[in-house]
Amino acid sequence: EDKVVQSPLSLVVHEGDTVTLNCSYEVTNFRSLLWYKQEKKAPTFLFMLTSSGIEKKSGRLSSILDKKELSSILNITATQTGDSAIYLCAVDDYKLSFGAGTTVTVRA
Amino acid sequence: SQTIHQWPATLVQPVGSPLSLECTVEGTSNPNLYWYRQAAGRGLQLLFYSVGIGQISSEVPQNLSASRPQDRQFILSSKKLLLSDSGFYLCAWNPGLTKTRTDTQYFGPGTRLTVL
Repeated sequence: EDKVVQSPLSLVVHEGDTVTLNCSYEVTNFRSLLWYKQEKKAPTFLFMLTSSGIEKKSGRLSSILDKKELSSILNITATQTGDSAIYLCAVDDYKLSFGAGTTVTVRA
Repeated sequence: SQTIHQWPATLVQPVGSPLSLECTVEGTSNPNLYWYRQAAGRGLQLLFYSVGIGQISSEVPQNLSASRPQDRQFILSSKKLLLSDSGFYLCAWNPGLTKTRTDTQYFGPGTRLTVL
């Protein structure tokens, strides 16, 4: 059975800290890995990664995929209170399988 | 641009009552549509997906059903709700170009259902 595991489950940081979130997966036919940010309601798309070793960046957020290690990390630098959210990782192997998410709380 | 709507936003229903949640997508044709449930502290569980009108695939056995009466309308139903049906229900879409369940999915605002 396909599996997507995120760690840690939750963390609390202070504004300005750097956060690193992990996602590991076991799927049969990997196509891509996606990161979403979920605040109060709908998850919003952050990144889609298909190639190993190529960093995707958007402002203070960046992500990289390691196909050899079957994992991805999402980094958030200089965190702000607006970064508080659940970060979801999903792996596409002809269907999307989601991890349980990492809840990030950024305190002022 | 494309927009996805869900309603109602919140719902409180007694056990044994029926359910109907609606999802519509604007600004695109022939999308793939999905229903997910998110229980507290858990990831998104895919319930149903549809690649076209009247075409529904179920991922998990349950007392819920889905229908797609029109190209951009997806409905989640139940005849008799259980306590375990409580959760956050999300509808999502992606372009139906290849009719595979892949590629980035875009989510609606969700419906929070509480069954008492």
